[in-house]
Amino acid sequence: KQEVTQIPAALSVPEGENLVLNCSFTDSAIYNLQWFRQDPGKGLTSLLLIQSSQREQTSGRLNASLDKSSGRSTLYIAASQPGDSATYLCAVRMVTGGGNKLTFGTGTQLKVEL
Amino acid sequence: EAGVVQSPRYKIIEKKQPVAFWCNPISGHNTLYWYRQNLGQGPELLIRYENEEAVDDSQLPKDRFSAERLKGVDSTLKIQPAELGDSAVYLCASSPQGSTGELFFGEGSRLTVL
Repeated sequence: KQEVTQIPAALSVPEGENLVLNCSFTDSAIYNLQWFRQDPGKGLTSLLLIQSSQREQTSGRLNASLDKSSGRSTLYIAASQPGDSATYLCAVRMVTGGGNKLTFGTGTQLKVEL
Repeated sequence: EAGVVQSPRYKIIEKKQPVAFWCNPISGHNTLYWYRQNLGQGPELLIRYENEEAVDDSQLPKDRFSAERLKGVDSTLKIQPAELGDSAVYLCASSPQGSTGELFFGEGSRLTVL
């Protein structure tokens, strides 16, 4: 059974700092991995999708990397801003003969302070 | 382009009452998901549709939960009767690339059962 862990559960940084959010998974035979952000009381917004054959994806100030062999992904946020404050979740997709399943982590709650 | 639309955003009911949630996915998205998210947790899959067919409902508590997607477009999730433990956010998501593609979520429906 795939297990997805995100550490730390909460993080507070000053504005302008570069930061890294971590996501680890127990089964490396993944199909893809997706990073989301969730603002309080809102749904999830897709940030980046990395296929299993890719090493990284970039969008603006965000860069997500994937190391399947070690079961890890990181989300790098450059020059953080107060508007980046949200909960960030990663989700790992497995595709097997029995179907496919997306497993979410519990998220990292980020606060960027002025 | 309109995103995934869900209603109602909030619902408060007493236990044993019925409740229904509605979702309209992004136009052209054949895959539709219903997730449940408890406070501080990642979303958990309830049911996945490919067009009008429920292809994964293994996590749906069928004694009280039901879902339908009659014309392969919008979908309804029903709970009858509701229990205290059903209090959660019910999220709908859709995907344009079948069951392994990027997910796009709605704002969610927050249910409180008293």
